[in-house]
Amino acid sequence: TQLLEQSPQFLSIQEGENLTVYCNSSSVFSSLQWYRQEPGEGPVLLVTVVTGGEVKKLKRLTFQFGDARKDSSLHITAAQPGDTGLYLCPNAGNNRKLIWGLGTSLAVNP
Amino acid sequence: DAGVIQSPRHEVTEMGQEVTLRCKPISGHNSLFWYRQTMMRGLELLIYFNNNVPIDDSGMPEDRFSAKMPNASFSTLKIQPSEPRDSAVYFCATLGWNEQFFGPGTRLTVL
Repeated sequence: TQLLEQSPQFLSIQEGENLTVYCNSSSVFSSLQWYRQEPGEGPVLLVTVVTGGEVKKLKRLTFQFGDARKDSSLHITAAQPGDTGLYLCPNAGNNRKLIWGLGTSLAVNP
Repeated sequence: DAGVIQSPRHEVTEMGQEVTLRCKPISGHNSLFWYRQTMMRGLELLIYFNNNVPIDDSGMPEDRFSAKMPNASFSTLKIQPSEPRDSAVYFCATLGWNEQFFGPGTRLTVL
């Protein structure tokens, strides 16, 4: 059974700061997705990464997939209050049975 | 499209009562999922349907939980009888092209 660990579990920062959150797996990801869940809402897909070493950018968010496809990171530059939420990185190898971790809960304070 | 619609958004009930959660999926999405989310366990897949047929219900915690999808535009998750440990946020989601679309969830509190 694949185990997903996300760190840190909680992060509280001031607006304008940079941050990185991490996603690690006990086994290789077939592909990996990052979702953001805003308070009171369901998760929303941000990006899918498939190839080891892949880097994708979404405005101020940079997603990196490890070369060995067992880890991933999300870097946010100049965080905004709108970035507040729970960040989740499920293994998306089987898109009908995603394997979810507990996520990183991010609070960006104005 | 209005996205995945869930009702009610909040439900407070007493232990032993029956609870029914409802979901209207996005039109044209053939796979539907029911999840439960808690702080301790995160998002857990309870059951998923493909073309209205239950495919995998291995995540359903026990016989008190049941789910149905009588047609392509409606699904229910029922808990009978409910217990305090069932308190959680329940999400319905549907599958687009390699992306799951979630509803806003139902926050269930069982007293």
